[in-house]
Amino acid sequence: TQLLEQSPQFLSIQEGENLTVYCNSSSVFSSLQWYRQEPGEGPVLLVTVVTGGEVKKLKRLTFQFGDARKDSSLHITAAQPGDTGLYLCAGDESGAGSYQLTFGKGTKLSVIP
Amino acid sequence: DAGVIQSPRHEVTEMGQEVTLRCKPISGHNSLFWYRQTMMRGLELLIYFNNNVPIDDSGMPEDRFSAKMPNASFSTLKIQPSEPRDSAVYFCASSRGDGYTFGSGTRLTVV
Repeated sequence: TQLLEQSPQFLSIQEGENLTVYCNSSSVFSSLQWYRQEPGEGPVLLVTVVTGGEVKKLKRLTFQFGDARKDSSLHITAAQPGDTGLYLCAGDESGAGSYQLTFGKGTKLSVIP
Repeated sequence: DAGVIQSPRHEVTEMGQEVTLRCKPISGHNSLFWYRQTMMRGLELLIYFNNNVPIDDSGMPEDRFSAKMPNASFSTLKIQPSEPRDSAVYFCASSRGDGYTFGSGTRLTVV
C-alpha cells in the first residue's frame, strides 16, 4: 500500500490570505485526486490530476501534480470562510484492472473571518 | 440522482450488540467501498466490491466485521459483537472508475 503524507496537518489563517498544502509519497501514482470534507459530511471530489506537471484551476484553487507523479499541491488564493474543511488527497494504486484509492490523513483548514 | 445513501446517520449501541450499517450506491457505479474514519487513523478502507463481488477485504479489522452486497443497489456492513473501539464514522462510497462519491456516513458510538 502506498503511503500518502499530507502537510501541514492543521492550518488556521485569516480570510483573504493565500495558502498551500502538500501531498507527498515515495511511490508513483497513475492519478491523484483532491477531496474536501465538511463536518458531518462525506468527502467531495474537487479534481483529478493525471499527467506529471499538470496544473488545474478551480476558481481560487490551483492544483498541481508533480513531474514525477509522486506529489501534489493545492494552492488557495484569497481564502474565504467557505473554504474551511478537511482537504484530502488520494492516490490511485490501480492495477490489474482494479480501481482503488489510498487516502492521506488530510489537512484541516480553518479560515477565520 | 440522490447520491450515495447511507443509513442510519447516527447509531448508539451497547457493547456486545449487533450493528448493521446500510448503503445504497449510485445507479450505474460498479464499485462500492466501505471506509472507517477516525481522528487518529483517518480514512481506512475496510472492504471493496466490484460488480457485487468482494475484491479486497484485507482492511476488515477482524472476524467481528462482515460485509455483503447482495445486488448492485444495496450493501451492508455488520459488526457483531460491537466494541467501544469500533466507535467511528463509517462511510460508503461508490465509483465507476473516475472518482469516488461518498455518502454522508454513519456515526457509530458503542458504549
